[in-house]
Amino acid sequence: DTEVTQTPKHLVMGMTNKKSLKCEQHMGHRAMYWYKQKAKKPPELMFVYSYEKLSINESVPSRFSPECPNSSLLNLHLHALQPEDSALYLCASSQGGQNNQPQHFGDGTRLSIL
Amino acid sequence: KNQVEQSPQSLIILEGKNCTLQCNYTVSPFSNLRWYKQDTGRGPVSLTIMTFSENTKSNGRYTATLDADTKQSSLHITASQLSDSASYICVVSSTDSWGKFQFGAGTQVVVTP
Repeated sequence: DTEVTQTPKHLVMGMTNKKSLKCEQHMGHRAMYWYKQKAKKPPELMFVYSYEKLSINESVPSRFSPECPNSSLLNLHLHALQPEDSALYLCASSQGGQNNQPQHFGDGTRLSIL
Repeated sequence: KNQVEQSPQSLIILEGKNCTLQCNYTVSPFSNLRWYKQDTGRGPVSLTIMTFSENTKSNGRYTATLDADTKQSSLHITASQLSDSASYICVVSSTDSWGKFQFGAGTQVVVTP
């Protein structure tokens, strides 16, 4: 089991639906990340939260909306997605502050857009 | 151009044999280099992290080396096991870009009986 828990593991949604991905960690980490990973490709950074504030947004379309309600939780709200948004969405966390801390990844949510 | 290049793209090895994966990078100024193992359908798991002053670091049967002068790293797998079948990803970070990491495309390793 990983220390970063993502739910749901799989999600199928239509282009008009609204859904949310959830990520939770209880390691006291203060940096949390969302990545998108297509098949046989490396993860691509989407968002970074540091101490519950959005620090990095990699020019992600507004149909993806992140939220960090507290230091343990990270959400990704989805609305009006496109078929090309189908991918594995990974959440990660690290102690924050320094770039030399390991990232702990969850096992991701496999998202399919119909 | 990707700032982190990995080779080979894939390899097949017999169980019990050793193998070495390569990673060349151009990321500057350098902060650290990490190797991750990603099993199919799972998230990446950290194997090693090395800073500028570290030449080698081991984690069980995995040994990573770093030559910061030539900007090269390798990951050596000793006495491979079937469970080593996975994608191995080299990731480099810069002191200039907190929170951002340059990912290589990964090397897909298949260990056969």
